[in-house]
Amino acid sequence: EAQVTQNPRYLITVTGKKLTVTCSQNMNHEYMSWYRQDPGLGLRQIYYSMNVEVTDKGDVPEGYKVSRKEKRNFPLILESPSPNQTSLYFCASSPDIRETQYFGPGTRLLVL
Amino acid sequence: RKEVEQDPGPFNVPEGATVAFNCTYSNSASQSFFWYRQDCRKEPKLLMSVYSSGNEDGRFTAQLNRASQYISLLIRDSKLSDSATYLCAVRSSGYSTLTFGKGTMLLVSP
Repeated sequence: EAQVTQNPRYLITVTGKKLTVTCSQNMNHEYMSWYRQDPGLGLRQIYYSMNVEVTDKGDVPEGYKVSRKEKRNFPLILESPSPNQTSLYFCASSPDIRETQYFGPGTRLLVL
Repeated sequence: RKEVEQDPGPFNVPEGATVAFNCTYSNSASQSFFWYRQDCRKEPKLLMSVYSSGNEDGRFTAQLNRASQYISLLIRDSKLSDSATYLCAVRSSGYSTLTFGKGTMLLVSP
């Protein structure tokens, strides 16, 4: 089944404790992206990747890192999480940027 | 002016009604347009792409008005299961990102 998977789906952590949210797609897509969604603010892009080893900042990259060492994986790293990073995070992928994006199921993160 | 704007709603309609949403965009060079559906706190799912000539998929019709810089989504014969938030997404020429509107909430009641 073609899909985008994210892990974990739910995470409660404390300020400053490094965490990684994994994202994997099995559709051989070139383009991958991370978004966060907050009430009243909608979906905002954090980082995106056009291809392996090519990443770029989105609208709200502060406090996040990403890597794209393999085509299928695009992990999101929070080196020192803070409470303002409490959010619902979505990973998405598409064959290329001109085409529609397919979203993962989301990761709910709570930073205390 | 915000890049992509939507009326947040909610739009409350009875079953069987026809309802329409608009989404305005500020960049006249925008090239790709999409409507997504999002159920409560779940992932957005593509409803339909929006083509210059307009397109229809069953009860759903999407249209693009480049002159006035908006896209629209028309839902005919609303079902209870149509209750969701509808997000528009726009990609501008030369940009490697999709910009999403904040969504319009639709509530269909019996």
